[in-house]
Amino acid sequence: EAAVTQSPRNKVTVTGGNVTLSCRQTNSHNYMYWYRQDTGHGLRLIHYSYGAGNLQIGDVPDGYKATRTTQEDFFLLLELASPSQTSLYFCASSPGLGDSYEQYFGPGTRLTVL
Amino acid sequence: GDQVEQSPSALSLHEGTGSALRCNFTTTMRAVQWFRKNSRGSLINLFYLASGTKENGRLKSAFDSKERYSTLHIRDAQLEDSGTYFCAAGASSGSWQLIFGSGTQLTVMP
Repeated sequence: EAAVTQSPRNKVTVTGGNVTLSCRQTNSHNYMYWYRQDTGHGLRLIHYSYGAGNLQIGDVPDGYKATRTTQEDFFLLLELASPSQTSLYFCASSPGLGDSYEQYFGPGTRLTVL
Repeated sequence: GDQVEQSPSALSLHEGTGSALRCNFTTTMRAVQWFRKNSRGSLINLFYLASGTKENGRLKSAFDSKERYSTLHIRDAQLEDSGTYFCAAGASSGSWQLIFGSGTQLTVMP
């Protein structure tokens, strides 16, 4: 079973604060993703990566940076947090091979920006 | 417009009854994945299909790429089935991205 972990699970910060969300996967998957999920919306893709050192822009990237330091680790950075970034953040990984689109999700990080 | 249209947006069921959720696609998709977000906010992976149908307990899912839709059937609903259900589809671009529907809020009542 794919294992994706996220930390912290909950985070509260203030407007203008600096936040880093961490994600680790232990299944040697090539692709990793960061999403945000807001009430009434599906998951929206912020950034993704297909390997260490690679970064691809998703659908809602404004205000976010990301870095893939290793095959296992993918970080989401909010350097000047704003209340509009209060959300539930999910990390996911997928093999990115053949025809499989299946993604495996972490437990989520709930971020509140006051 | 949205490539994945999920319906209904909300659904209430009494225990023991059943219903179906549906996702329509505006373009050809190569695969679909269904999830449930539980009360703790975690995403539970229900099904992944590249074609045909899959069944697991009281849940059954179907995916028809040619007709551009997928369904999730729930039978004999239980209280613990409550939550938000999402479908997500992989487009034919080969980018290994999933496009999510907006979710169905399911409430199962005693």
